[in-house]
Amino acid sequence: RKEVEQDPGPFNVPEGATVAFNCTYSNSASQSFFWYRQDCRKEPKLLMSVYSSGNEDGRFTAQLNRASQYISLLIRDSKLSDSATYLCVVRFYGGATNKLIFGTGTLLAVQP
Amino acid sequence: DTAVSQTPKYLVTQMGNDKSIKCEQNLGHDTMYWYKQDSKKFLKIMFSYNNKELIINETVPNRFSPKSPDKAHLNLHINSLELGDSAVYFCASSQASEAFFGQGTRLTVV
Repeated sequence: RKEVEQDPGPFNVPEGATVAFNCTYSNSASQSFFWYRQDCRKEPKLLMSVYSSGNEDGRFTAQLNRASQYISLLIRDSKLSDSATYLCVVRFYGGATNKLIFGTGTLLAVQP
Repeated sequence: DTAVSQTPKYLVTQMGNDKSIKCEQNLGHDTMYWYKQDSKKFLKIMFSYNNKELIINETVPNRFSPKSPDKAHLNLHINSLELGDSAVYFCASSQASEAFFGQGTRLTVV
């Protein structure tokens, strides 16, 4: 079982739609959580951190459920420019170890 | 001024050759990583260094040898390249929170 799991998609949605991505992680000692965005043939870039109380950044809302080891990302009013792969990322600290583990990514295609 | 830069951007080489990829960060971060992204787009951690010391080696074949001459640099040397090594290799650095990635090196072994 992968340490961080996501539905690979693709999610094909019309402009203006609301779309939600889910992610589960296996290591309960994981301590920080993020959503990254990766455009085709580009490097991953931080979209937003995910906090226990949930957090919002414009059209994007992230939620964390530590008990269920579940992270979500909601995108409202989708734009064409939102088309990308969304990566769920978990940071694990253990002794000297400091690892960022990436999910397999969910591909979003927003259609005009 | 690029925060994390890696060279070369593209590398095409024959099986059996030895090649190196260089990475430099000017962010003052303590931790640097190498990730491999295969054709299925899965980003897998290979190595992590903290202040020039290796802290993670994720069961990578010993043909891959990272070297960190100082905390701003983390290079990756690959011996006896195989077809299965073809992938995009990303260098990244982080401090406490987010990681910043280089643009990637697209390695093609023919």
